[in-house]
Amino acid sequence: GQSLEQPSEVTAVEGAIVQINCTYQTSGFYGLSWYQQHDGGAPTFLSYNALDGLEETGRFSSFLSRSDSYGYLLLQELQMKDSASYFCAVRDEGYSTLTFGKGTMLLVSP
Amino acid sequence: DVKVTQSSRYLVKRTGEKVFLECVQDMDHENMFWYRQDPGLGLRLIYFSYDVKMKEKGDIPEGYSVSREKKERFSLILESASTNQTSMYLCASSRPSSGRETQYFGPGTRLLVL
Repeated sequence: GQSLEQPSEVTAVEGAIVQINCTYQTSGFYGLSWYQQHDGGAPTFLSYNALDGLEETGRFSSFLSRSDSYGYLLLQELQMKDSASYFCAVRDEGYSTLTFGKGTMLLVSP
Repeated sequence: DVKVTQSSRYLVKRTGEKVFLECVQDMDHENMFWYRQDPGLGLRLIYFSYDVKMKEKGDIPEGYSVSREKKERFSLILESASTNQTSMYLCASSRPSSGRETQYFGPGTRLLVL
């Protein structure tokens, strides 16, 4: 089976940098994804890491260490609109299914 | 742009009723998924389908069934709704990939069972 751990809530101020960590225990591992969900909205894909290292997409970056079963999402130059829940997800080795963490609510204040 | 639509945003049903939740995607994706989302529990997979008429149980299939008669449509059925099935239900679709697996989600159906 799969299990993922991430903090339930993170707070930060506009313009700051915040890191959301995710540790996982899996029977098989294909890659680590991150999804963003605004309140009342649908989850949307942010990033994916299959190999160790940092992937950068604009203000967002995602990091993976396979040996440590650990990854993080880094959000820079925070904006109020970044207030949302962020989910890490691990892909199953067989079918195209994802197991999601319980989500981290990010609150950005002025 | 991928579009995943769900038949209702809000639904109120009574205990024991049969409930149908419909999901349609317009990108010819092979894979479709049904999740439920509850506060503090994240997204949990109920059922998924990787082809027409094919279905596989997810992590919490009890009390649910699914139907996929056409590639673009995936239905979730609550045979006899119970109050513990009050939840947000999310449908998603994806194209099979050997690497990155991007799922596209619908807006969700918030179901209240009284």
